[in-house]
Parts: sequence; C-alpha cells; structure tokens
Amino acid sequence: DQQVKQNSPSLSVQEGRISILNCDYTNSMFDYFLWYKKYPAEGPTFLISISSIKDKNEDGRFTVFLNKSAKHLSLHIVPSQPGDSAVYFCAANGRNAGNMLTFGGGTRLMVKP
Amino acid sequence: GAGVSQSPRYKVAKRGQDVALRCDPISGHVSLFWYQQALGQGPEFLTYFQNEAQLDKSGLPSDRFFAERPEGSVSTLKIQRTQQEDSAVYLCASSLAFGSTGANVLTFGAGSRLTVL
Repeated sequence: DQQVKQNSPSLSVQEGRISILNCDYTNSMFDYFLWYKKYPAEGPTFLISISSIKDKNEDGRFTVFLNKSAKHLSLHIVPSQPGDSAVYFCAANGRNAGNMLTFGGGTRLMVKP
Repeated sequence: GAGVSQSPRYKVAKRGQDVALRCDPISGHVSLFWYQQALGQGPEFLTYFQNEAQLDKSGLPSDRFFAERPEGSVSTLKIQRTQQEDSAVYLCASSLAFGSTGANVLTFGAGSRLTVL
C-alpha cells in the first residue's frame, strides 16, 4: 500500500522553463510534506517543506503547492537550471501516521541546456 | 562530523554471507534512522533509534536484519545470511531531535550499496 505516489518516473524540461513535479498521497493523517533532491551516489538532501495547514510555501526558485482536498502536492522550479537535474522525492510525516518519513518513488528531472 | 558518514560505500556479498553496515551520524543528533532503497524506488523505512533506544523496528523485512546503536552515536545495521532480494542501497539519516510536531527533516548519508550475488 503506497501512501505517497509520484506517478511520473521522469520529466524533461528546457533550461529557463518551469519544472512541475507532482505527488499524490492517500493518508489524510500526514501533517507535513517534504521534497528531497538526490544526485547520483549521494544521499537525499532536504529542499523544501509545507505544513498541511498551508497551501503554498516558497523558497527562492522553489515553490510547493498543497491541495488537501485532492491529496495532491506539486513542486515548481522556476527558472529551471541544468544543475537541478536530479531525482526528486516527495515525502510526508504525521503525528498520527507513525511520524516517520514516508517517501514516494521519485521523479527524475532532466533540465536540458 | 560535518555530515552523516556511512561505510562501506559499496559491498558485494555472496548469498548466505553476513554483512555489517556502519553509520556515523552528525555529532549530537539524537535520532537515527535506517532506510532501504531498492533500484528505481524511494527509500523505505527500516528502523529508528532515539539515543541508544531502538523505538521502532517495524520496517525490518525479516529477522535476518538487526540494528544497534549501543552508545547512542554510531549505529550498525547487520544482515545475516544475505539473499539476493537484500540488494539495495541502505541509507542512514539523523536529526537533532524527533519531536511529535514539525516536519521530520532528516540529514542523509550517501548510503551503502549492497549487492548480493
């Protein structure tokens, strides 16, 4: 039973354009949602998070949007840069959901120069 | 240390061998987590320590998997009688605290890639 799903295994965008990565979840007990970025041969690194009581959080080029009624969140990267090419993981945790980070399967983003 | 350090980075084992994977968390980090990441998938929770206490081991796939953190700092994940399905990257992560509120932001190590032949 996958509680956090990333249905697109890969995404390719042109440098300078917007990248939109999507994530769906099933457990309504999640309180926080996080995005991690992973380069090859490195561990995931934290990028941005959002509380379930908010619908948007912005940090520089990165914005996360949360639609609780649809159990859907997305990460927008504007403008995309070649250095953004990595695998992006959506994750979630919640007090009444074990509070461990539960990860999606990841989306590989390729930003072409 | 500056980050979470894991060793070995790569391990090849013959089926049936025992392996031990080590994790050095960030100094002072109370919480330590182990995750398993199979090829093409996201990390899956294995077990969690708060200091030396193993508070959750619900993700360990079988009794061949054992983790310890005897002095509340370095942790070892041991896999006995390895099987091919154990082939994965094993990620260790730590955090300063693990409270009941807030986003659970973890700092991950680079992982130990285990290949069982």
